[in-house]
Amino acid sequence: KAGVTQTPRYLIKTRGQQVTLSCSPISGHRSVSWYQQTPGQGLQFLFEYFSETQRNKGNFPGRFSGRQFSNSRSEMNVSTLELGDSALYLCASSLGQSKGADTQYFGPGTRLTVL
Amino acid sequence: AQTVTQSQPEMSVQEAETVTLSCTYDTSESDYYLFWYKQPPSRQMILVIRQEAYKQQNATENRFSVNFQKAAKSFSLKISDSQLGDAAMYFCAYKVNEKLTFGTGTRLTIIP
Repeated sequence: KAGVTQTPRYLIKTRGQQVTLSCSPISGHRSVSWYQQTPGQGLQFLFEYFSETQRNKGNFPGRFSGRQFSNSRSEMNVSTLELGDSALYLCASSLGQSKGADTQYFGPGTRLTVL
Repeated sequence: AQTVTQSQPEMSVQEAETVTLSCTYDTSESDYYLFWYKQPPSRQMILVIRQEAYKQQNATENRFSVNFQKAAKSFSLKISDSQLGDAAMYFCAYKVNEKLTFGTGTRLTIIP
């Protein structure tokens, strides 16, 4: 089975721009979660989607949004980029049906640099 | 709020020796899951081992095993017969529903 894939792998943007990151889960997985990893804040949960609905949300401003499509692929959007948004964005997928029992498997991440 | 604490920012071990990484967590939940992930320089987050909180038996996966003390809210990882490929950042994580809460990580160096 193919693993979780994320595109693009690297991205450079300037302040004020917006960016869209994509995540394709493992086949059969319906839950997709997004995490931000920075040296200062570590790994933080952004949100989780299941069956095209946002099911869980972390403490991030409204500039961070996401969506999920009927094939379970997910996109994350960040609008009005700030320097502090520079980070590794990790996507993880799981079956999502067992009230937290399912293991999350991670993609390789998208490295976003904001100049 | 759930918190996960890894008190060892860095650890080192001789190749073929055993090392234990510590992790404590705080929660009021009764039904949760615990994980250890490793992140090598490639930055790919790789599952090492998982533990269900309702299971008393400690999980093992080949050279990796955990010491799960539910009352103490402690979840340490033991790596036996350390290999060069074990060098990585190790993150302890706590999961309720689909939200993972991570510790700050322990950087493990393997000395040849």
